Amino acid sequence: GDSVTQMEGPVTLSEEAFLTINCTYTATGYPSLFWYVQYPGEGLQLLLKATKADDKGSNKGFEATYRKETTSFHLEKGSVQVSDSAVYFCALSDLGGTALIFGKGTTLSVSS
Amino acid sequence: DTEVTQTPKHLVMGMTNKKSLKCEQHMGHRAMYWYKQKAKKPPELMFVYSYEKLSINESVPSRFSPECPNSSLLNLHLHALQPEDSALYLCASSQDPSGSNEQFFGPGTRLTVL
Repeated sequence: GDSVTQMEGPVTLSEEAFLTINCTYTATGYPSLFWYVQYPGEGLQLLLKATKADDKGSNKGFEATYRKETTSFHLEKGSVQVSDSAVYFCALSDLGGTALIFGKGTTLSVSS
Repeated sequence: DTEVTQTPKHLVMGMTNKKSLKCEQHMGHRAMYWYKQKAKKPPELMFVYSYEKLSINESVPSRFSPECPNSSLLNLHLHALQPEDSALYLCASSQDPSGSNEQFFGPGTRLTVL
């Protein structure tokens, strides 16, 4: 079945450091790909998405590119802030599917 | 309005109580979802409503009973829960059930079963 694998962390960075969180997927069709962020004590917020190969999703300085050839959707940010500390979930959804398939989540901790 | 609201924010209940969780969205979305999330884990799908009809039940115990009174509201009725049911319960909605549409999540209800 479909699945998502992401680095589990925790990832600990200093403010203004470069961030990469790796995400790879397995799917039989052509899924849509998402990054969600969950701040402490809150629900999930959609950070960005991409619906087809070579699409780049971006939001709040975060970017991820849908790479069909490597089945990847890595999350990047050039300069992280303390306020970016959260759990990040990579997820996919097949066109025919009705539910999101999540990776296990990556905890990011940014210190000043 | 791009928001999914959930009430209550916190709920503590005994194993013999009956309570309900409520979820509301006014985005005109026709698919709504209940997820359960344990600490440090991803959300697990429980139920999907598509056009106000239950389309997916992920083998959830009958002590959880979903209800969709109209296209904007989703309830989760709780009865005779167990301590292991303590978790964050998340509601989500999407434009329609097709996978290309993102899901919008509410803030969740943190449930504690004593």
